[in-house]
Amino acid sequence: DVKVTQSSRYLVKRTGEKVFLECVQDMDHENMFWYRQDPGLGLRLIYFSYDVKMKEKGDIPEGYSVSREKKERFSLILESASTNQTSMYLCASSPGTTNTEAFFGQGTRLTVV
Amino acid sequence: AQSVTQPDIHITVSEGASLELRCNYSYGATPYLFWYVQSPGQGLQLLLKYFSGDTLVQGIKGFEAEFKRSQSSFNLRKPSVHWSDAAEYFCAAGSSNTGKLIFGQGTTLQVKP
Repeated sequence: DVKVTQSSRYLVKRTGEKVFLECVQDMDHENMFWYRQDPGLGLRLIYFSYDVKMKEKGDIPEGYSVSREKKERFSLILESASTNQTSMYLCASSPGTTNTEAFFGQGTRLTVV
Repeated sequence: AQSVTQPDIHITVSEGASLELRCNYSYGATPYLFWYVQSPGQGLQLLLKYFSGDTLVQGIKGFEAEFKRSQSSFNLRKPSVHWSDAAEYFCAAGSSNTGKLIFGQGTTLQVKP
C-alpha cells in the first residue's frame, strides 16, 4: 500500500515562528502536493512539485514556501506563522503517470497562537 | 475558472435509507473525477474515480457514482447507508497531466439510527 506520512498530527506554534511541516511518501511518486483544509472551503492547493528541486505555486501560496531536496520528501514552510494559518494541512502524492489518483497523509492540525 | 461545487453542506439520512450526494464541476475539458471520504481526524480515502469509459463507476464500501457530461455532474450514491458511513465527503476534479485536484467544499453526512 502507498503510504504518505506526515511527521506531526498536531502542532501548536506561536505567531512569528518559522514552522516546518514534513511529508514523506514511500512509493517513488513523482508528484507531491500540499493542501490546506478549512471548514466550508474544502481543500485548497498551496504548492506542488513534479520532481526533485522543482516546485510550482498553487492557488494560495502566500505566506508559504516548500522544499523538495529528495524525491520522497516534501516540506511545507511557514516563514512567519500567523493566526490565519491555523488550519488542517494535508500532504498528497501521485505517480507521474495518467489514470491515477492522489494518496493523502493523515493531516497535520496546526494551531498558531 | 475551474471549479467543483457540492451544493449540500450537511445531509442527514436514516440508517438503511438511500443516499445521493451531489457534485457539479466546471472545467475546460472533461476532467478526471474523484470522490474521497474523510472520517474525523483522518486523511482522505479514495472511494472511486472516473477517467473515461462506462459512466457508472463502482467504488469501495458499496458506493457508486454516475458521470453525466450533459449536466456536468458526478453524483455519489449508495442504496443503503450504514452508521459507519457518517463522515465528510469530497468531490474533486483533476487533469491527467498535472495530477492537481480541485476540490468541492465538502458534504458532511450524518446518519440517524
